[in-house]
Amino acid sequence: AQTVTQSQPEMSVQEAETVTLSCTYDTSESDYYLFWYKQPPSRQMILVIRQEAYKQQNATENRFSVNFQKAAKSFSLKISDSQLGDAAMYFCAYRSMQGGSEKLVFGKGTKLTVNP
Amino acid sequence: KAGVTQTPRYLIKTRGQQVTLSCSPISGHRSVSWYQQTPGQGLQFLFEYFSETQRNKGNFPGRFSGRQFSNSRSEMNVSTLELGDSALYLCASSRDYPGGGEQFFGPGTRLTVL
Repeated sequence: AQTVTQSQPEMSVQEAETVTLSCTYDTSESDYYLFWYKQPPSRQMILVIRQEAYKQQNATENRFSVNFQKAAKSFSLKISDSQLGDAAMYFCAYRSMQGGSEKLVFGKGTKLTVNP
Repeated sequence: KAGVTQTPRYLIKTRGQQVTLSCSPISGHRSVSWYQQTPGQGLQFLFEYFSETQRNKGNFPGRFSGRQFSNSRSEMNVSTLELGDSALYLCASSRDYPGGGEQFFGPGTRLTVL
């Protein structure tokens, strides 16, 4: 079974600075998807960024980028120019490409605080 | 386009009762998944439905069940409620593209068991 580990329960960053959230995962599969989801307080979970394991190029979405190290099974999220609205719980998630299932396996999350 | 909706948003029940939660996916989405979110266990997969068929099931007791209707709306039922069932229950829907579609989450139903 796949597992996802987020080793930083909490992180803080100053507004306009850069922060990196860590995620490692364990799988025996070669093809899969990785995601970062954001869950603001009392608000809906939204997708921040996704990475297909077969793509070597790291995904980027505006101020959000990932460092995907397939051999090391590492998938970190970098937030540049942090904004107050980035404060939220961030979840790393894994999805297999086998079996046609949409099931996501989540890490325990990292609570990000942005200080003005 | 309306997002994923879940009803009710909040529920308070007592031990031993049963509860039914509802999820309406985004129009055109045929895949619906359910997750339980608790402070201790985090987000755990309950089950997934596609075209009225359960496609995958998580490691939860038989008290947890679900179904999907022909219009893709889904319900989950928890019977004989226990204190540990208190959680935020999240529903997610997707178009289920062969290459992997994005899952859109609803606001959740907050269940409190007394």
